[in-house]
Amino acid sequence: NAGVTQTPKFRVLKTGQSMTLLCAQDMNHEYMYWYRQDPGMGLRLIHYSVGEGTTAKGEVPDGYNVSRLKKQNFLLGLESAAPSQTSVYFCASSPPRPDTQYFGPGTRLTVL
Amino acid sequence: AQTVTQSQPEMSVQEAETVTLSCTYDTSENNYYLFWYKQPPSRQMILVIRQEAYKQQNATENRFSVNFQKAAKSFSLKISDSQLGDTAMYFCAFMRNNAGNMLTFGGGTRLMVKP
Repeated sequence: NAGVTQTPKFRVLKTGQSMTLLCAQDMNHEYMYWYRQDPGMGLRLIHYSVGEGTTAKGEVPDGYNVSRLKKQNFLLGLESAAPSQTSVYFCASSPPRPDTQYFGPGTRLTVL
Repeated sequence: AQTVTQSQPEMSVQEAETVTLSCTYDTSENNYYLFWYKQPPSRQMILVIRQEAYKQQNATENRFSVNFQKAAKSFSLKISDSQLGDTAMYFCAFMRNNAGNMLTFGGGTRLMVKP
């Protein structure tokens, strides 16, 4: 039981490049989330999904897109990376009720 | 919108002593959930303790306990018998009881446990 995994762990991009971050969970959770954490700050919600095929915007969605084609996977895409998107990205999942969210190990992204 | 405030950016405590981390929040909701997460240098977010707002009894998990004051919108974390492994960032988080169950995090408190 791996829990929540994220790929890749680290990535360096140049401004304007695109990339996709992959989140996978093996807990059969309905809900999945993408957060970003900037230095010295708490996590902020980018997008979330309440089920396969559904997505919704969080607090800071601009510049990101997401897809949930399979229940166990939640993809975060950056179409044209900007230095302001340099951050640590966390994925999380939870059951479909108010409950603990389980977090992945994070992806450190640097945009030059 | 909900806001979560942690007024102590950094704290330190001697090993085996007790320390309390503060958290206040702002909401008009009556039914919600509160969490404390720990983030050690490994960056992994680890749940420490959770509290349902409809429960008057304060949650306890081994050396960790909370003081939940609903009227004051305060949710502090007490760590007893502090251990070196407790050194980490601690985040308070708020969850509304609604579709999506989204978390709103505070800015965090960096706790250093000194030997």
